[in-house]
Amino acid sequence: GQQLNQSPQSMFIQEGEDVSMNCTSSSIFNTWLWYKQDPGEGPVLLIALYKAGELTSNGRLTAQFGITRKDSFLNISASIPSDVGIYFCAGRSTGGTSYGKLTFGQGTILTVHP
Amino acid sequence: SQTIHQWPATLVQPVGSPLSLECTVEGTSNPNLYWYRQAAGRGLQLLFYSVGIGQISSEVPQNLSASRPQDRQFILSSKKLLLSDSGFYLCAWRDFNEQYFGPGTRLTVT
Repeated sequence: GQQLNQSPQSMFIQEGEDVSMNCTSSSIFNTWLWYKQDPGEGPVLLIALYKAGELTSNGRLTAQFGITRKDSFLNISASIPSDVGIYFCAGRSTGGTSYGKLTFGQGTILTVHP
Repeated sequence: SQTIHQWPATLVQPVGSPLSLECTVEGTSNPNLYWYRQAAGRGLQLLFYSVGIGQISSEVPQNLSASRPQDRQFILSSKKLLLSDSGFYLCAWRDFNEQYFGPGTRLTVT
């Protein structure tokens, strides 16, 4: 089956630093989604990517859809304490009877020290 | 705008008791609906998905079942809970190429 490798698994950074995380897949995806989950809450969609090479920003967040369609990365600039949480990537493959099923990475736990 | 509700928010149940978790979506019709389980704050495991009323597909054989009695209602059930059923249960719906999650239900089986 499809697998997504998300790295790093965890990050401990100082407030103000930039953050970068990525996901790689064994399969080609036609959609990449990035989510953030706060403790005890459901994941919230941050950025959606639909085309290879696409670069999309949402405030201090920037994500890119890899040219090979097998990877994506998320950058957070000038981190702040409220960036703390778990970040998930998710991909959806082309065609088939997937019914829109997403494949999720295992998440990156981000800790920001003030 | 669309919203998704889940209840209860938290639940503590003894082993062997039944379970019923409910998810409802507002502001859309005939959505694709999904149930996920998340253990220990990591990894989202897809349990069931539904493309319409009465249409349920199971991803992982287990002690749980799902039903979709109405277009915007998705229910997760169990006849007898196991300790391993503890976790954070998330309902989600699909809007074209994007997927949105509900607030989740924290289930503790004791």
